[in-house]
Amino acid sequence: KNEVEQSPQNLTAQEGEFITINCSYSVGISALHWLQQHPGGGIVSLFMLSSGKKKHGRLIATINIQEKHSSLHITASHPRDSAVYICAVRPPNFGNEKLTFGTGTRLTIIP
Amino acid sequence: AAGVIQSPRHLIKEKRETATLKCYPIPRHDTVYWYQQGPGQDPQFLISFYEKMQSDKGSIPDRFSAQQFSDYHSELNMSSLELGDSALYFCASSRGQLTGELFFGEGSRLTVL
Repeated sequence: KNEVEQSPQNLTAQEGEFITINCSYSVGISALHWLQQHPGGGIVSLFMLSSGKKKHGRLIATINIQEKHSSLHITASHPRDSAVYICAVRPPNFGNEKLTFGTGTRLTIIP
Repeated sequence: AAGVIQSPRHLIKEKRETATLKCYPIPRHDTVYWYQQGPGQDPQFLISFYEKMQSDKGSIPDRFSAQQFSDYHSELNMSSLELGDSALYFCASSRGQLTGELFFGEGSRLTVL
């Protein structure tokens, strides 16, 4: 079982729909990242969370530390949101810099 | 705003050749991380540096080496290249370990023929 699980693996939606991508993890963490990877391969860091909720434009990320679960929401989705969204967790201790990545969620928004 | 700069963006090499990838972190970032992403795979952590010292090591082959220089840029040197080294190599930087937000470069795509 992966330490970081994402669901769904693939998601296709119509433009304008509200999107939710989930991430569950089984290890202790100091922070959780949501990343966006476009077809060209470049990775953009969307959020870093250690508690609560963050909002940036149409994107909202939440984390529940007790339940070891995070969600990424996209409101009023747009075709340009089509990408792979990756959840990655950071370990809690110094000297261990390894990010553990989820397998990603491929999102396709249809006009 | 300045982002993490990686060069070259694309590189084609023959088997057994050597390649060097460079990463220029965001100004005032003192921590650099290298990741390797094979086709259709999750990024895998290779190595990281904090204040010019290696801070952690992941699944980096012995044929690879890396260092962080006094201006905080980092170089990943890969020798005796193999076909399986073909991948997208990402560099990320942060200010401080653990608490600093990570910023990723666009990646360097290495193709070994």
